[in-house]
Amino acid sequence: GESVGLHLPTLSVQEGDNSIINCAYSNSASDYFIWYKQESGKGPQFIIDIRSNMDKRQGQRVTVLLNKTVKHLSLQIAATQPGDSAVYFCADLRPQYNFNKFYFGSGTKLNVKP
Amino acid sequence: EAGVVQSPRYKIIEKKQPVAFWCNPISGHNTLYWYRQNLGQGPELLIRYENEEAVDDSQLPKDRFSAERLKGVDSTLKIQPAELGDSAVYLCASSSEGQVSGANVLTFGAGSRLTVL
Repeated sequence: GESVGLHLPTLSVQEGDNSIINCAYSNSASDYFIWYKQESGKGPQFIIDIRSNMDKRQGQRVTVLLNKTVKHLSLQIAATQPGDSAVYFCADLRPQYNFNKFYFGSGTKLNVKP
Repeated sequence: EAGVVQSPRYKIIEKKQPVAFWCNPISGHNTLYWYRQNLGQGPELLIRYENEEAVDDSQLPKDRFSAERLKGVDSTLKIQPAELGDSAVYLCASSSEGQVSGANVLTFGAGSRLTVL
């Protein structure tokens, strides 16, 4: 079936290194993607988004890359900090009936080692 | 701005008991969502409101779950009776109508963690 999924459930990086979190999607009709960060005991927090007519979008220390050919999405975090430790979810927006609907992946847990 | 406010933050009940969760969305956001998040998983949509109308409740287990959004602002989600498998975090989110991108898309509350014993 169609799904939004992640390649790695857990990622451990050293403080100061760059982190790359990957996500695969299978619905070719998805035209909008979001990355969310969820810290323990909190709700998901918006990080960055990208539309399907773009390949790359940059924010503060974060970059999202979209490869529509292989239906792959990645989140890059530069100079990873202890505060970046959290679970990261990708979500895609799919047209459904008369409205769009977000589907979330299962998440990647990022551990930042001091 | 207060953001999306949910209560209670934590609730522990015995199976077969009822439970209710409350959500106050961001002011002006006419779209409200209830999601369920099981441990180690991403959020899954239970119901979506456009103002006071439920436009997508296809994933809501209607035999035991109910929701309402009176006057198109606050919303409550009820489970009666609760089962062991209902243990999860119940997230409320809101968004502005027609907003496709930007930091206001699906703003989540902190969630209500339910434990059913």
